[in-house]
Amino acid sequence: DVKVTQSSRYLVKRTGEKVFLECVQDMDHENMFWYRQDPGLGLRLIYFSYDVKMKEKGDIPEGYSVSREKKERFSLILESASTNQTSMYLCASSTYGTGNEKLFFGSGTQLSVL
Amino acid sequence: QQQVKQSPQSLIVQKGGISIINCAYENTAFDYFPWYQQFPGKGPALLIAIRPDVSEKKEGRFTISFNKSAKQFSLHIMDSQPGDSATYFCAASRSSGSARQLTFGSGTQLTVLP
Repeated sequence: DVKVTQSSRYLVKRTGEKVFLECVQDMDHENMFWYRQDPGLGLRLIYFSYDVKMKEKGDIPEGYSVSREKKERFSLILESASTNQTSMYLCASSTYGTGNEKLFFGSGTQLSVL
Repeated sequence: QQQVKQSPQSLIVQKGGISIINCAYENTAFDYFPWYQQFPGKGPALLIAIRPDVSEKKEGRFTISFNKSAKQFSLHIMDSQPGDSATYFCAASRSSGSARQLTFGSGTQLTVLP
């Protein structure tokens, strides 16, 4: 089975801190995604990557950046954390899309920014 | 701007009843419509999916009904069981540059009473 591992289950940071969320997948998938999940808003796409060193903005990229130096690892960076970035962050991966792609999600990182 | 609208936000059903969750989309570029199921503490997992060239897809107790002209689709859970209690997300997928982008609905929290 595909495994998508997120480095932390819970994270507490202070306003203004630089925050790194790490994600690793073990199935050699080309595509990787970062979503945030908020009650009543569902999952919103922050950034995605379809290849090493490639990245595309999703629907809500403001305040975030990403890094993909290796195929299996996709990092989400909050340059200066703010309280409105308190959320559940979900990483996902999928193989190259043929139109019926299946996303495999990690268990999420609950980030609290104080 | 919510491209995929999902209702209801929450749903309570008796064991053995039928659960129905509805979604509507606006962008006609969407060409693949999956449903994801999420249990507490876990990431979402693909449940069932449909392409717009068919009007219905059934897998066990789960059925997707698709109405292309109305740009609506729905998930029906027959003989609902307490183990089906979870959050359900509809989604719609389209090509985006060199990858495919998945847009999720806001989610429905289903509770099946024993």
